[in-house]
Amino acid sequence: EPEVTQTPSHQVTQMGQEVILRCVPISNHLYFYWYRQILGQKVEFLVSFYNNEISEKSEIFDDQFSVERPDGSNFTLKIRSTKLEDSAMYFCASSVTREGNTEAFFGQGTRLTVV
Amino acid sequence: GQNIDQPTEMTATEGAIVQINCTYQTSGFNGLFWYQQHAGEAPTFLSYNVLDGLEEKGRFSSFLSRSKGYSYLLLKELQMKDSASYLCAVPGAGSYQLTFGKGTKLSVIP
Repeated sequence: EPEVTQTPSHQVTQMGQEVILRCVPISNHLYFYWYRQILGQKVEFLVSFYNNEISEKSEIFDDQFSVERPDGSNFTLKIRSTKLEDSAMYFCASSVTREGNTEAFFGQGTRLTVV
Repeated sequence: GQNIDQPTEMTATEGAIVQINCTYQTSGFNGLFWYQQHAGEAPTFLSYNVLDGLEEKGRFSSFLSRSKGYSYLLLKELQMKDSASYLCAVPGAGSYQLTFGKGTKLSVIP
């Protein structure tokens, strides 16, 4: 069964450093998303991406964050200068369409720890 | 804006039936999702409701009442592996930005 894959599974970084989280969405999916979940809290939307541009972003997705699809398969989330409060599980997701009933498939997540 | 409320925790016995409730307020309704999330893992899709009524899928069923802003997930014949968080989520009107509830942590005990 096709799945969304994310690397690395765990990332520890020092405050102020840049990190890049990588995702390979399901191959025939056109819409890509990043969500995050701070430990013990709810899953929160960060950004959606379609046709090589951001289609929606939340208040969390400030200038420290950027997304890119550098080639035909990868979808990346970059955090330029990490803060302690960026520590969270980051989930990539993809869907075939953006119709309301379309299921989003989530990757297994990258656990980011900022020290 | 969107707001979702779910109970924080529930406990039920193996083999029993449990109902997990969700109430929501949205600026425009575009359906409601239920996801299952085991600890430290990704959310996985369980169900989607856009019309009123009950949708059954094996041991899991989901109910929606749009007039009441209310949904529930019904789990029958509980198994130990059903111990997980159950997340209620709604997409924004005209978007696929999912707003999740805080999730209900279900513990299934022998």
